[in-house]
Amino acid sequence: GAGVSQSPSNKVTEKGKDVELRCDPISGHTALYWYRQSLGQGLEFLIYFQGNSAPDKSGLPSDRFSAERTGGSVSTLTIQRTQQEDSAVYLCASSPGQGLSSGANVLTFGAGSRLTVL
Amino acid sequence: AQSVTQLGSHVSVSEGALVLLRCNYSSSVPPYLFWYVQYPNQGLQLLLKYTSAATLVKGINGFEAEFKKSETSFHLTKPSAHMSDAAEYFCAVSKRGATNKLIFGTGTLLAVQP
Repeated sequence: GAGVSQSPSNKVTEKGKDVELRCDPISGHTALYWYRQSLGQGLEFLIYFQGNSAPDKSGLPSDRFSAERTGGSVSTLTIQRTQQEDSAVYLCASSPGQGLSSGANVLTFGAGSRLTVL
Repeated sequence: AQSVTQLGSHVSVSEGALVLLRCNYSSSVPPYLFWYVQYPNQGLQLLLKYTSAATLVKGINGFEAEFKKSETSFHLTKPSAHMSDAAEYFCAVSKRGATNKLIFGTGTLLAVQP
């Protein structure tokens, strides 16, 4: 697609429920990133995919958080047993991939999925 | 470990005045540096990037930033603020040749007064 697409744009859920957030990256972008943006915490890195593999999961805050990517394209971030502290905007970004070329390291962000846990 | 510090979480300027948003980085190797802007209820948009070519980098909307290795700084400037510049600005650093993961500063919210 022309840009990074995320859905849903807004999600309200009850504490303890599971949620899935979807990211559709720019066509041909092999690298995909998830970030979390919350008040007082800024932008936190969650996970990085290169193709379908996740060589860097260092930012996932707990084992309730998981993500997968299939077909080198769409990614899903799953939060199990949601807690109120999970309320945030979850941002997805994609880039052309690894390498030292000047174009490879520019991340293009989606508009985000705003999650509210009641 | 790499990190970015943005001084001033809120900056207010008058329309037509100089905009200066400060960013200092910490990196053990020469980094890539970026400025992103986020308008209300939107995702982040790239303003400009430094990747070791010219140290003075020009971006969109009249913004520019200068990489100063001796000061470990990458401050963002614009000679004359416009009302449409009101947004949150994020400085970010990434490690060369690695995952291209960006480490962000905490952001600076720019207000432009008429």
